[in-house]
This record gives sequence, structure tokens and C-alpha cells, in this order.
Amino acid sequence: DGGITQSPKYLFRKEGQNVTLSCEQNLNHDAMYWYRQDPGQGLRLIYYSQIVNDFQKGDIAEGYSVSREKKESFPLTVTSAQKNPTAFYLCASSISGESYGYTFGSGTRLTVV
Amino acid sequence: KNEVEQSPQNLTAQEGEFITINCSYSVGISALHWLQQHPGGGIVSLFMLSSGKKKHGRLIATINIQEKHSSLHITASHPRDSAVYICAVRWEGGGADGLTFGKGTHLIIQP
Repeated sequence: DGGITQSPKYLFRKEGQNVTLSCEQNLNHDAMYWYRQDPGQGLRLIYYSQIVNDFQKGDIAEGYSVSREKKESFPLTVTSAQKNPTAFYLCASSISGESYGYTFGSGTRLTVV
Repeated sequence: KNEVEQSPQNLTAQEGEFITINCSYSVGISALHWLQQHPGGGIVSLFMLSSGKKKHGRLIATINIQEKHSSLHITASHPRDSAVYICAVRWEGGGADGLTFGKGTHLIIQP
């Protein structure tokens, strides 16, 4: 079945360490997105990519980095520069264009201790 | 800043009740999405609509473009409907940066 796979589901890291969250899709979708979710807040856009080898900053990109070397993969690195990295991270994808729906992954809960 | 507002924030109801969740937004949109998030965190897309009404099983979504308002209804609610329901919009003329999300409505259906 087609879908988005995020791994791992739970991740613990020590403060000051970089960590990379995986997002893979087999839907042949052009666009991919990373969102952050905090309690009591709506999802906020971190980075998005419309095509391979191109990506754009979202509303809260500081302290994060991404790459899009393959159409199906869009990993997110949470760097030590991110001041408050503990959160729930969701990856999504869509066919480019306004008329299409979005598919979401199951999320990664990152806890930095 | 363009915003999406949902109400109520929290809703507890008895099994079998008719449920309504509301979403309002500030400016014109090209599409509105209703999403369901279960306790594990994964999100499922329920509806995408730009006008009128859509129905899937016991779920009904309506949108009034002039009033900038959408509702999600659940008929004959069941405990398995307990989840967070999220409204998200794509702004009209917006860029390629995806959706703007409401804060969600936490629904609990008691047996």
C-alpha cells in the first residue's frame, strides 16, 4: 500500500546533539512538508519541498535543516541550534497543485533531555 | 496574519449524539481540509472541499464560502470517534507552502 513512513516513532536525544528524522513516501508525490506540533497549538510548517534538490523555509525553520536528494525522501535534521526541540514532528506529502489532498505520516515524537 | 479558528476546543458527548465542530477562517481559500488525529499522533485526511457538502459514512462536512465557515458533523457518534479533529486551509492565491492549521477540537465520546 502507498503511504508515508516516518521513523522512528519515538526518539530521545541529549541536549546539544543533532538528530535526523526520516520521512519516506512511495506515492510518487512531488511535494513534501515537515510540520511541528506542540500542545495546544496548530501544526506549524518547518520546511517544504516541491521538487527534488529544492526546498524552502517555512514559518519556523530556525534550528532545522532538510535535504531532498530523492523524490521519495525528505529527512529533517534537528540541530543543536534549535532552542526547544522537544515536540511531535509530522511529515506530509501531496501532488503539487491546489486541487489535491495531503497524506500524512504517523509522526515522530522527539524528546531532548 | 491569516488565521484558522476552531470551536469548541474540547467536546465531550454521549454515544449516539449528533456532533458539530466548527471552523472559521479570515480570508479567501482555495480548499479546506478536515483531518482526524488519533492518540498515537498519526493524521488521516477526512475531507477536502472548496464548496458545498461532502458525506462519508457518518461524517458530513459543509462549507459556506461567503461566510468563511465550515462545519464537520458526526451522526450517531461512537467512542471510536474520539480523536482530535483539525481544520486546515489553503489560502487563495497562496504559495506552494501547503496548509494553515487550526488548533484542533478534542472530541471524547463516552459509552
